[in-house]
Amino acid sequence: GENVEQHPSTLSVQEGDSAVIKCTYSDSASNYFPWYKQELGKRPQLIIDIRSNVGEKKDQRIAVTLNKTAKHFSLHITETQPEDSAVYFCAASTTSGTYKYIFGTGTRLKVLA
Amino acid sequence: DVKVTQSSRYLVKRTGEKVFLECVQDMDHENMFWYRQDPGLGLRLIYFSYDVKMKEKGDIPEGYSVSREKKERFSLILESASTNQTSMYLCASSLARGREQYFGPGTRLTVT
Repeated sequence: GENVEQHPSTLSVQEGDSAVIKCTYSDSASNYFPWYKQELGKRPQLIIDIRSNVGEKKDQRIAVTLNKTAKHFSLHITETQPEDSAVYFCAASTTSGTYKYIFGTGTRLKVLA
Repeated sequence: DVKVTQSSRYLVKRTGEKVFLECVQDMDHENMFWYRQDPGLGLRLIYFSYDVKMKEKGDIPEGYSVSREKKERFSLILESASTNQTSMYLCASSLARGREQYFGPGTRLTVT
């Protein structure tokens, strides 16, 4: 079946440094790629998304890049802050069967003060 | 503001019991989803629904069923709970396909 691979599973960075999380998807027909942030004990919340007709999208300190040819997309967080510490999930839409999302396994980001 | 609520935050059930998890959204969303979240496995789709009385199997439907009698409510049913169904269960809704999913607070189910 279709899948999404996410790396790394854990990431520690110093406050102020950048963090990059990478995902690879298998369905070449995927056209929507959201990123969710889940703080400890809370629900996942969308932080940024990108569609297949765009190569990059930015929102303040976060950005997402998409390489359709290679079937991978990445989340970039610049000038990290302690409140960025959370688990981040990537997802990709798939039309294999019925339209749905497949999530990556998550990256636990720790920003060290 | 979209609000997705789940009937319980914590639930403890015995093996073999029938378990109902309920999810309600208040934004007239067409689509509703049930996921389970386990460490190292991410969010795995159990069932989803794109319309009232409609349901589709996700990636791990075995041991579960669902019901959607009203647009705002989507129920997950464990017909006979087993210990391997101990997990965090997250409900989500979205306005349409290819749109943001809004998650509920989750139900941590323990089956003993």
